[in-house]
Amino acid sequence: GEDVEQSLFLSVREGDSSVINCTYTDSSSTYLYWYKQEPGAGLQLLTYIFSNMDMKQDQRLTVLLNKKDKHLSLRIADTQTGDSAIYFCAEILPFNSGAGSYQLTFGKGTKLSVIP
Amino acid sequence: EPEVTQTPSHQVTQMGQEVILRCVPISNHLYFYWYRQILGQKVEFLVSFYNNEISEKSEIFDDQFSVERPDGSNFTLKIRSTKLEDSAMYFCASSASRGPRYEQYFGPGTRLTVT
Repeated sequence: GEDVEQSLFLSVREGDSSVINCTYTDSSSTYLYWYKQEPGAGLQLLTYIFSNMDMKQDQRLTVLLNKKDKHLSLRIADTQTGDSAIYFCAEILPFNSGAGSYQLTFGKGTKLSVIP
Repeated sequence: EPEVTQTPSHQVTQMGQEVILRCVPISNHLYFYWYRQILGQKVEFLVSFYNNEISEKSEIFDDQFSVERPDGSNFTLKIRSTKLEDSAMYFCASSASRGPRYEQYFGPGTRLTVT
């Protein structure tokens, strides 16, 4: 079965690095995602990593994937107050129906608070 | 930039009443989804819809739920007889195609409160 776990809260000072961690259970995940939700807004895809990669860097964001431990992390360098949001880890898995459809499975989200 | 919109942003209803949550997906997208998030819980998949029919649904999506694309732009979720436990944030999403390479774009959500 699939399950995605992440801590609920993280508080950092402006300018520091933030690291949000996530564990997943299904090793057949092909892509793993990080979504960001700002207050009053929908879930916005922040970045993703393909399962055959260990690391992906995109400006201030670094995604690390440890497939052996089924551990995913999102590092935000030089965290700004505008980074305050809820960050969701998600994995995508095919439905058991075999019809070619995929299902996103999310964690509960980590609320990042940035202290000025 | 195109976006998914949802109305209303907040809906309060009495137990047993019917509600319809509305979504306007991105115009050239073909796949549509509903998710929900009960307060403090995970975002859960409800249903996917393509070519005017349900593609997949979760065990949460029982007979009290239905989806419809009544015209070329709207995608609706109907809850026939609401229960207290239906109180949640409901997110609509759309994608150009299916599969992990195609991003699902999410709307801002409708907060449903059942009293």
